[in-house]
Amino acid sequence: DSGVTQTPKHLITATGQRVTLRCSPRSGDLSVYWYQQSLDQGLQFLIQYYNGEERAKGNILERFSAQQFPDLHSELNLSSLELGDSALYFCASSASGGALSTDTQYFGPGTRLTVL
Amino acid sequence: GQNIDQPTEMTATEGAIVQINCTYQTSGFNGLFWYQQHAGEAPTFLSYNVLDGLEEKGRFSSFLSRSKGYSYLLLKELQMKDSASYLCAVREADKLIFGTGTRLQVFP
Repeated sequence: DSGVTQTPKHLITATGQRVTLRCSPRSGDLSVYWYQQSLDQGLQFLIQYYNGEERAKGNILERFSAQQFPDLHSELNLSSLELGDSALYFCASSASGGALSTDTQYFGPGTRLTVL
Repeated sequence: GQNIDQPTEMTATEGAIVQINCTYQTSGFNGLFWYQQHAGEAPTFLSYNVLDGLEEKGRFSSFLSRSKGYSYLLLKELQMKDSASYLCAVREADKLIFGTGTRLQVFP
């Protein structure tokens, strides 16, 4: 158990809908990262927040957005869903957000999103 | 540009030793990580290298050569539970760039 929690574990929805995925980082970690992993694909970095502020952006679609709240939990919002958005969405957290090279990301169990 | 290459699949026998290679070309380098990921589960941290050389951690070791843009993960005394994907990831500034992973199958 990494200490990172994600809800829900599974989500099934229809095209065109909007969903929200939630992540709570490990105790003491200030940085949260979101990744997408499609079937047989590598982990694609979406976005990073550090202490409430957006720190880095990867291949995140405009239909997707995220935020980090004062209690450091984060939410990833996916809207106008398409079939191709079906994937595992992982959240990871780290202590310093990459400021130290030793900063290690610890991953949550993921949310499996299925768009029908 | 960014490029991280790993073999797609490898097979090995229980009790044997296997080496999974990773080559990378990135615009910056601030450390290399190896993660293990069982199908449908979260990646779990295995090892970290930022300086050249070998880091040993029980049955797992990881090696880095920054001048060659090369790393390997060495798994000794393979067990069936080691069947998983192994992900090489390079830190570039604040971001971790992941390779597509190597799927290792261990046979009895």
